[in-house]
Amino acid sequence: AQKVTQAQTEISVVEKEDVTLDCVYETRDTTYYLFWYKQPPSGELVFLIRRNSFDEQNEISGRYSWNFQKSTSSFNFTITASQVVDSAVYFCALGPYNFNKFYFGSGTKLNVKP
Amino acid sequence: ETGVTQTPRHLVMGMTNKKSLKCEQHLGHNAMYWYKQSAKKPLELMFVYSLEERVENNSVPSRFSPECPNSSHLFLHLHTLQPEDSALYLCASSQGLGTTTDTQYFGPGTRLTVL
Repeated sequence: AQKVTQAQTEISVVEKEDVTLDCVYETRDTTYYLFWYKQPPSGELVFLIRRNSFDEQNEISGRYSWNFQKSTSSFNFTITASQVVDSAVYFCALGPYNFNKFYFGSGTKLNVKP
Repeated sequence: ETGVTQTPRHLVMGMTNKKSLKCEQHLGHNAMYWYKQSAKKPLELMFVYSLEERVENNSVPSRFSPECPNSSHLFLHLHTLQPEDSALYLCASSQGLGTTTDTQYFGPGTRLTVL
């Protein structure tokens, strides 16, 4: 079965703190993609990153970084020096390589307070 | 306009009404999707179209009827909806299916309220 679990329903931090959002997935596929999306209060989903299952290198983009651990089926997302504009719901998603059928986690709501 | 646009942004309808949601993508993509996002539920994939042909229908009730007249436009026709159909309906597009460029890009959504 394909499944994505985001155990943290809501996280609150104070601006400039670092925060890590957890994502654990289940799949029987050997090749797949993992994604993170951000959904700000406006509602529009914003694509953040796509990671191929063959590539376990960690990725850093500005204040964002992602830690892909195939051994633990996790794809965690860290925001360094959080800002109020980072407040949003963050979704982790799993997609098989040969068909675009996405499985989304239930999302983690991040509140960054000034 | 750029990206993926959806109209209307908000819609209130009665259970006996017929309405349509529109999605348009300006990215030159070949695949389009409808998702439903209800409160406190994961995103649900409703329909997938590739090159104007329906590829996936995840057991969606017949009161939702999709239409894809060309690769840039996607409609969701609504009739005799139920209050539990109230949700945010998101449209997305991707370059194709099963390619390395299959990342989906989403529109702003239509907030639907069924009275």
